Amino acid sequence: DAKTTQPNSMESNEEEPVHLPCNHSTISGTDYIHWYRQLPSQGPEYVIHGLTSNVNNRMASLAIAEDRKSSTLILHRATLRDAAVYYCILRDDYKLSFGAGTTVTVRA
Amino acid sequence: SQTIHQWPATLVQPVGSPLSLECTVEGTSNPNLYWYRQAAGRGLQLLFYSVGIGQISSEVPQNLSASRPQDRQFILSSKKLLLSDSGFYLCAWSAGTANTGELFFGEGSRLTVL
Repeated sequence: DAKTTQPNSMESNEEEPVHLPCNHSTISGTDYIHWYRQLPSQGPEYVIHGLTSNVNNRMASLAIAEDRKSSTLILHRATLRDAAVYYCILRDDYKLSFGAGTTVTVRA
Repeated sequence: SQTIHQWPATLVQPVGSPLSLECTVEGTSNPNLYWYRQAAGRGLQLLFYSVGIGQISSEVPQNLSASRPQDRQFILSSKKLLLSDSGFYLCAWSAGTANTGELFFGEGSRLTVL
């Protein structure tokens, strides 16, 4: 499986944007970039995914580098409910393998 | 709409006892099904996945096994639990027609082996 690298933790203030980086230098041409988040004692929740173009949905935006070796998840206005572990994952087949993720803390 | 149910939510089992966790999906057909485990303070580890009835792929050698007796039913079992089997077990599904689609997770089963 292609691997991803994320910072262990990030802090943000409420109402401010959060930019979560992810490096995936060994990505293949058919790997999709997926993001999930996990709140304490819950299962992960899908956030967004993309292949080459930037993607937007109601939860977040995904900016993908032109060479696809990195991507950034953007939470436009962080709320306390956005405090979670965020996982960046590459998917090319039936399985998704989760790494350690980035723990996001939001300060009121 | 599609839903996923997983049970039991919590269980405490002695070492050496058997285990059975069950997961069912409603509102879809031919889903891909998954079992993950999360040890305390750790990331998710993929244990098994299935793309069809009776088709099980194992990711990690262990004393656990999985079965898919029906299209939307996925069962995780063990004949004899170990202390290291403690953790948060999550069932998930994705659309069978798109291997790049999103995963939908159940609420999880927290297992404590004493």
